[in-house]
Amino acid sequence: EDQVTQSPEALRLQEGESSSLNCSYTVSGLRGLFWYRQDPGKGPEFLFTLYSAGEEKEKERLKATLTKKESFLHITAPKPEDSATYLCAVQTDTGKLIFGQGTTLQVKP
Amino acid sequence: GAGVSQSPSNKVTEKGKDVELRCDPISGHTALYWYRQRLGQGLEFLIYFQGNSAPDKSGLPSDRFSAERTGESVSTLTIQRTQQEDSAVYLCASSYLGLARGWFGPGTRLTVL
Repeated sequence: EDQVTQSPEALRLQEGESSSLNCSYTVSGLRGLFWYRQDPGKGPEFLFTLYSAGEEKEKERLKATLTKKESFLHITAPKPEDSATYLCAVQTDTGKLIFGQGTTLQVKP
Repeated sequence: GAGVSQSPSNKVTEKGKDVELRCDPISGHTALYWYRQRLGQGLEFLIYFQGNSAPDKSGLPSDRFSAERTGESVSTLTIQRTQQEDSAVYLCASSYLGLARGWFGPGTRLTVL
């Protein structure tokens, strides 16, 4: 069965304290892995797409990496405005897009 | 329009009533997805349309839920005989050829009293 698992469920950081979020997956065929950010009351906002093991993408304080079984979202020197829920999704070989449960990040000043 | 739109933005209904939720995808996007998001939870896959192929309905939780899409245009998610556990935000996303990430609409917040 296709499955996406994110950890931790919640993460509290002090401003400037770097950390990583994990997304592990089991799918029949991977077309791509996506990271989204979701703020309360809003739809998910796209961050990154990763297609193959070894690939990395960066945007401001965020860096996403991909291996054959998992992806990491590294947050370097986070700021309070980085507080949000971060969602990982995988697209299977049929085009279906499956999401993990998300990691809720809180960054305190 | 520039993005995915959904209507209504909020819907309050009584238990047992039927509701219809609408999604207008980005023009030219062949793939369309519906998700349910309960409070504090992740996105639960409901159904996926890709062009003229048969939809993947594997996420629909019961036969009270159905969805339609005509070609590459508007989609409607219908929930019959609503129950309180149907209360959630229903999100729609579309993408081009199913090869790219989904662009999400703002969602419809459904409250069943």
